[in-house]
Amino acid sequence: GAVVSQHPSRVICKSGTSVKIECRSLDFQATTMFWYRQFPKKSLMLMATSNEGSKATYEQGVEKDKFLINHASLTLSTLTVTSAHPEDSSFYICSAYIAGKAYEQYFGPGTRLTVT
Amino acid sequence: QKEVEQDPGPLSVPEGAIVSLNCTYSNSAFQYFMWYRQYSRKGPELLMYTYSSGNKEDGRFTAQVDKSSKYISLFIRDSQPSDSATYLCAMRDFGNEKLTFGTGTRLTIIP
Repeated sequence: GAVVSQHPSRVICKSGTSVKIECRSLDFQATTMFWYRQFPKKSLMLMATSNEGSKATYEQGVEKDKFLINHASLTLSTLTVTSAHPEDSSFYICSAYIAGKAYEQYFGPGTRLTVT
Repeated sequence: QKEVEQDPGPLSVPEGAIVSLNCTYSNSAFQYFMWYRQYSRKGPELLMYTYSSGNKEDGRFTAQVDKSSKYISLFIRDSQPSDSATYLCAMRDFGNEKLTFGTGTRLTIIP
């Protein structure tokens, strides 16, 4: 149980285009999901907290107009990287937890974004 | 000073050895402690979590928490090549959903 999926697993796009990444909780409902960014050999950097039915809460320094987050249902959150640039190339990972068990945060497999 | 400090390694040990991975933290409000394992190009996988001082054992893994010293450890017994991965400690306080991660320790088990 507690499986989180992400789609796509890897994507290559051209500068200036937008890319959407999906995060789904497959066997549980997640009122809250998190989006992280991870650089090579570095730890996870929290970008934003995504709450079902409300606006996401962004961490300091993360551009909310560039990284659009939508949490349309209890099992789906999306991250859209708008007008992507090469410096946006990174590994993006989402996570979710079962209500009442926030210490058990389950991660998706990640999406590798390459912007050319 | 970072809230959570973790030796980045890399750490290489022979197969069968006992591995000790450690994190220290400065925020005394942290109440929940987790260890994640991350294979290359994959998302982190929850290995252990605990919320009290002392030891918690699960198979070959033992998580140890010392709140008085603000120090947590993960021990791996009878290490296997499949244990080769990056290990991340993470923690949070009671009223906060967000996790604070260590930088991760890259571990290699040599057959």
